[in-house]
Amino acid sequence: DAGVIQSPRHEVTEMGQEVTLRCKPISGHNSLFWYRQTMMRGLELLIYFNNNVPIDDSGMPEDRFSAKMPNASFSTLKIQPSEPRDSAVYFCASRTGSVSGANVLTFGAGSRLTVL
Amino acid sequence: AQSVTQPDIHITVSEGASLELRCNYSYGATPYLFWYVQSPGQGLQLLLKYFSGDTLVQGIKGFEAEFKRSQSSFNLRKPSVHWSDAAEYFCAVYTNAGKSTFGDGTTLTVKP
Repeated sequence: DAGVIQSPRHEVTEMGQEVTLRCKPISGHNSLFWYRQTMMRGLELLIYFNNNVPIDDSGMPEDRFSAKMPNASFSTLKIQPSEPRDSAVYFCASRTGSVSGANVLTFGAGSRLTVL
Repeated sequence: AQSVTQPDIHITVSEGASLELRCNYSYGATPYLFWYVQSPGQGLQLLLKYFSGDTLVQGIKGFEAEFKRSQSSFNLRKPSVHWSDAAEYFCAVYTNAGKSTFGDGTTLTVKP
């Protein structure tokens, strides 16, 4: 398996622009998580999905952030409009629902976002 | 609410020396505990996990961790550190709410 695949790996944009980050989870994994990592705040959970349904979005900072999971193999995190304080590395992670592998997260390599 | 504390922000050890990274958690029930490692520019990779049973768990790359319920701790150890172990290490606790909470991480520097 290719693992969790995120794109783009790097994104530089200007304040006010729309940003879309993409994630392909591991096939067969039924939970998907979006995390944000910054020096100041560490690793923060933004939102997670079970079977494509959003379960907990309490970590989404504000209405400028939205996430979707239209099917089991694809998710997006959108920021509109973007602001400099959104600069961070955004990680996607997926998790199997099987007992043997339960609760173990597999992370993608991350998308580094810089908003100028 | 659950929380994870990693008291050491940065640790430096000499290559070949032993290592212990500290982790304390707060959770009302039996926790599922994890250690992840993050190399520069990479995502987090699972080192080891504790679900139940033997309180000393073995992981990849020669790492082990010991769960001590009385101290609410899950410290990570390695008897002899290699230069390639330089990275950031995260302790995490999983709860039955479906989420994992991560500590702030400990950055390990290895001196030649």
